[in-house]
Amino acid sequence: NAGVTQTPKFQVLKTGQSMTLQCAQDMNHNSMYWYRQDPGMGLRLIYYSASEGTTDKGEVPNGYNVSRLNKREFSLRLESAAPSQTSVYFCASNPREGTEAFFGQGTRLTVV
Amino acid sequence: GENVEQHPSTLSVQEGDSAVIKCTYSDSASNYFPWYKQELGKGPQLIIDIRSNVGEKKDQRIAVTLNKTAKHFSLHITETQPEDSAVYFCAASTPSGGSYIPTFGRGTSLIVHP
Repeated sequence: NAGVTQTPKFQVLKTGQSMTLQCAQDMNHNSMYWYRQDPGMGLRLIYYSASEGTTDKGEVPNGYNVSRLNKREFSLRLESAAPSQTSVYFCASNPREGTEAFFGQGTRLTVV
Repeated sequence: GENVEQHPSTLSVQEGDSAVIKCTYSDSASNYFPWYKQELGKGPQLIIDIRSNVGEKKDQRIAVTLNKTAKHFSLHITETQPEDSAVYFCAASTPSGGSYIPTFGRGTSLIVHP
């Protein structure tokens, strides 16, 4: 049982490049989330998907897009990377409202 | 939306001492309050949680208290050990458009000195 798997673990992009962060969970969870973690700022919600086929903006959605490809997979896309998007990105999932969220190991992204 | 404040941002204690981390939340509709521990290079992991119909919960050296009226909840770690050193996050889970979204505090870096 792998839990939540994120790829890649590390990435360096040049300003203006695009990339997609992948996330997959094997726990049959309904809800999935993308957070970014910056020093002193905690975990801030970028986008979430309450169930397959739905996505909604979180606190800091600008510059990002998401796709809930199926129940297992939830990807985060940066269309034109900016240095302000340098961060550690975490994907998480939970089975239903008001329950424990399970996190992936994170993707450390640097935009130069 | 929900706003979660967490204090202190850094907490340094001696091994064997107790540590207390406090959080406040703004949305009275929040009903689930988890605490996560994040070790270096890893994702956060749940250590304890509490629901709005409970005032206190304990699991060995860890306890959480909730005061719904004041909208604050706290994490208590007794007999701290060096392996307790990590970043701790509180969160409040709030209903939003049919889902319940976890909103996190900014984290507390706990350092336990041997």
